[in-house]
Amino acid sequence: QSALTQPASVSGSPGQSITISCTGTSSDVGRYNYVSWYQQHPGKAPKLMIYDVSYRPSGVSNRFSGSKSGNTASLTISELQTEDEADYYCSSHTSSDTRVFGGGTKLTVL
Amino acid sequence: QVQLVDSGGGVVQPGTSLRLSCAASGFTFRDYAMHWVRQAPGKGLEWVAIISKHGDNKYYADSVKGRFSISRDNFENTLFLQMNSLRAEDTAVYSCAREDYGQFYFDNWGQGTLVTVSS
Repeated sequence: QSALTQPASVSGSPGQSITISCTGTSSDVGRYNYVSWYQQHPGKAPKLMIYDVSYRPSGVSNRFSGSKSGNTASLTISELQTEDEADYYCSSHTSSDTRVFGGGTKLTVL
Repeated sequence: QVQLVDSGGGVVQPGTSLRLSCAASGFTFRDYAMHWVRQAPGKGLEWVAIISKHGDNKYYADSVKGRFSISRDNFENTLFLQMNSLRAEDTAVYSCAREDYGQFYFDNWGQGTLVTVSS
């Protein structure tokens, strides 16, 4: 049950686009289209941003998009806004019927 | 609206036990699988355990297997986490999270309850 691998930090300027990667194995990310992404502001509960690799829940901006290739999933945020500054976590279902999170990525909007 | 209220946290000594609760309201509790997720101070999210909607299937992270037990009361709309043999590395905010049947993501979270294991 090793954590999925995410970059510790990414940064971008308002209006730019950034991509956060999430690398797993053939037992989790590579095996299922059950990758989800969560946004967490300091002191707040995580918020679901993307589910099933690329689907957005109602109310989430279409500036957020997800994709997957092999064992790596990605979250792209376009037209960065200051309020996007937060921690982002990926998660995947696993072949053991458990769940696993990535280590988290701190997004800084410069 | 959906509400998940976590409680039961506190300061305990290593080797002791604690029971957390998550009170659910605003939805049909028995229709959802439920999870516990924890976050150590300044660290990332760590999945802890899942229980199926009827309580007949349970899975645990390796880090807590054999020490923690997840359960639920579908009449009282409450989720539990019994934590035994607590260690310093179990110190974290523990949150319950909801998962719809046949889905594999957390669509609602509790606010969390802090467990501190320290001598």
